[in-house]
Amino acid sequence: KAGVTQTPRYLIKTRGQQVTLSCSPISGHRSVSWYQQTPGQGLQFLFEYFSETQRNKGNFPGRFSGRQFSNSRSEMNVSTLELGDSALYLCASSRQDGTYGYTFGSGTRLTVV
Amino acid sequence: QKEVEQNSGPLSVPEGAIASLNCTYSDRGSQSFFWYRQYSGKSPELIMSIYSNGDKEDGRFTAQLNKASQYVSLLIRDSQPSDSATYLCAARGSSNTGKLIFGQGTTLQVKP
Repeated sequence: KAGVTQTPRYLIKTRGQQVTLSCSPISGHRSVSWYQQTPGQGLQFLFEYFSETQRNKGNFPGRFSGRQFSNSRSEMNVSTLELGDSALYLCASSRQDGTYGYTFGSGTRLTVV
Repeated sequence: QKEVEQNSGPLSVPEGAIASLNCTYSDRGSQSFFWYRQYSGKSPELIMSIYSNGDKEDGRFTAQLNKASQYVSLLIRDSQPSDSATYLCAARGSSNTGKLIFGQGTTLQVKP
């Protein structure tokens, strides 16, 4: 059974650019959440999608956005990148609404220079 | 005030000992709790989930939940050097969605 797949694994972007990260959940999983992990702040919730609808959003600026497609695949976009956006971005999926925990992908390491 | 708190450690135990990891949470409405293990440079891996007061055992791992005290713990019996990692405690919010609130994690070192 394939796990959660995130692409790309690594990205280097310049300040002011935008970036799109992709996440393919485990087959049959309809709930996808995104997290940002940094050494200083730890794991912070960005947003959650369930059946193509954003169900919850964390305390991040509007530069961070996401969407989910009918096949449950999800993308997140960060516009006007700042140095502080450098982080590991993790996607996690669950069968329903996360009651039984989420399975994380390997993450995308974003470096903003 | 942080919503989920953990002692950052490092917690150092000898091989074969019991490692005890603790976590407190502030949202009384939280219903589900999870322990994730994260090796350096890797993504978090779910190792235990617990929803009811009491103990839940899975192999060498035991999770304990006390909702009255808003306290969650993880015991690792017969600790092995391969258990050396950061352990993250997470609480699922009372809004009944998939939002998990993570603690900062406790670094465990198991010394041979």
